Amino acid sequence: AQKITQTQPGMFVQEKEAVTLDCTYDTSDQSYGLFWYKQPSSGEMIFLIYQGSYDEQNATEGRYSLNFQKARKSANLVISASQLGDSAMYFCAMREGVTGGGNKLTFGTGTQLKVEL
Amino acid sequence: KAGVTQTPRYLIKTRGQQVTLSCSPISGHRSVSWYQQTPGQGLQFLFEYFSETQRNKGNFPGRFSGRQFSNSRSEMNVSTLELGDSALYLCASSLYRPGYTDTQYFGPGTRLTVL
Repeated sequence: AQKITQTQPGMFVQEKEAVTLDCTYDTSDQSYGLFWYKQPSSGEMIFLIYQGSYDEQNATEGRYSLNFQKARKSANLVISASQLGDSAMYFCAMREGVTGGGNKLTFGTGTQLKVEL
Repeated sequence: KAGVTQTPRYLIKTRGQQVTLSCSPISGHRSVSWYQQTPGQGLQFLFEYFSETQRNKGNFPGRFSGRQFSNSRSEMNVSTLELGDSALYLCASSLYRPGYTDTQYFGPGTRLTVL
């Protein structure tokens, strides 16, 4: 069965610094997709970035980049130039069976990020 | 374009009652998925609907059910509520394009409290 592991329950970073949130995954599928979502205290899940298993380049979206190391089965999120508004819970998620049907996401346990002045 | 909307946002029920939650997807999105989020179990997949048919189902008892209407709006129902059903219920919608991984966009959630 697929599994997502986020080993950092909480992280602190100073404003304007970069931070890396770790994510490792386990799957036997060759075709899969990896997502990062941000969940502020309000509860809504906000999509940040996506990486496909066959994508050769690391995904980037503004201040967010995904450090994808397929052989190590890791998909770490890098946030550059942290802002106070980045304080939130961050979830890594995986969807298997890209070429088939279905939209089931498996989530990790999340990392609570706190940005300090 | 309007995002995913969920109603109600907050709900308080007592054990044994039933509840219906509603989700309106982003316009043009045909797939709707439901997730339960609790402090103990984290985020868990409930089910997914596409073209009014349940396409995937998570590991939840039969008290949890759902449906999708022809306009892609979806409802989920929980019967005979238990204290453990207290959770944030999140709905997500996406396009469906075979062979592609379409991003799921989430609504603000419905926070259900069972007393």
